Amino acid sequence: GIQVEQSPPDLILQEGANSTLRCNFSDSVNNLQWFHQNPWGQLINLFYIPSGTKQNGRLSATTVATERYSLLYISSSQTTDSGVYFCAVERSYNTDKLIFGTGTRLQVFP
Amino acid sequence: GAVVSQHPSRVICKSGTSVKIECRSLDFQATTMFWYRQFPKQSLMLMATSNEGSKATYEQGVEKDKFLINHASLTLSTLTVTSAHPEDSSFYICSATRQTYEGYTFGSGTRLTVV
Repeated sequence: GIQVEQSPPDLILQEGANSTLRCNFSDSVNNLQWFHQNPWGQLINLFYIPSGTKQNGRLSATTVATERYSLLYISSSQTTDSGVYFCAVERSYNTDKLIFGTGTRLQVFP
Repeated sequence: GAVVSQHPSRVICKSGTSVKIECRSLDFQATTMFWYRQFPKQSLMLMATSNEGSKATYEQGVEKDKFLINHASLTLSTLTVTSAHPEDSSFYICSATRQTYEGYTFGSGTRLTVV
């Protein structure tokens, strides 16, 4: 099956710092989403981004489908950004299966 | 936007009993819903795909008889953990997608503890 690897696995930042999270996937996809899982387990949908670039406030994401990777940028991080960030993909030839990456655990300290 | 409601959010049950978890799409119809399981500090693993009006499709290694899935309507899927044991303790989360494709939306999850 498709492999979805995220890096780094853990990230510790001071408030105000910027960061880049990476998601590599091993097969072509027709859907890629970034999620933030908060400490209560809720998955917050950050971006639906199978290709191209999107921005939402301090967050932005870029997916280069031909090179099979996506990046999530967090600028001016805040303590509320803490949690686990997952990318998840759906293969282009086997729909209806969203496969999650390994996750990046982010801790932002004041 | 698409909203998926899941409950209960937390349940504690005795070993050997069964627990039912509900997943509802509140403002859209979902012919397909998905059930995931997440162990502490791990990623989400797809357990099964729930299809309205037909049998669920289980991922390899997931016991069909232990995790019963029913998708009786276009807005409701249920997961029943039968004869639960402590190793079934986990975080279970469902998701659905709208027919006008906007990506997957997730419920708030159910934390199951079997004692």
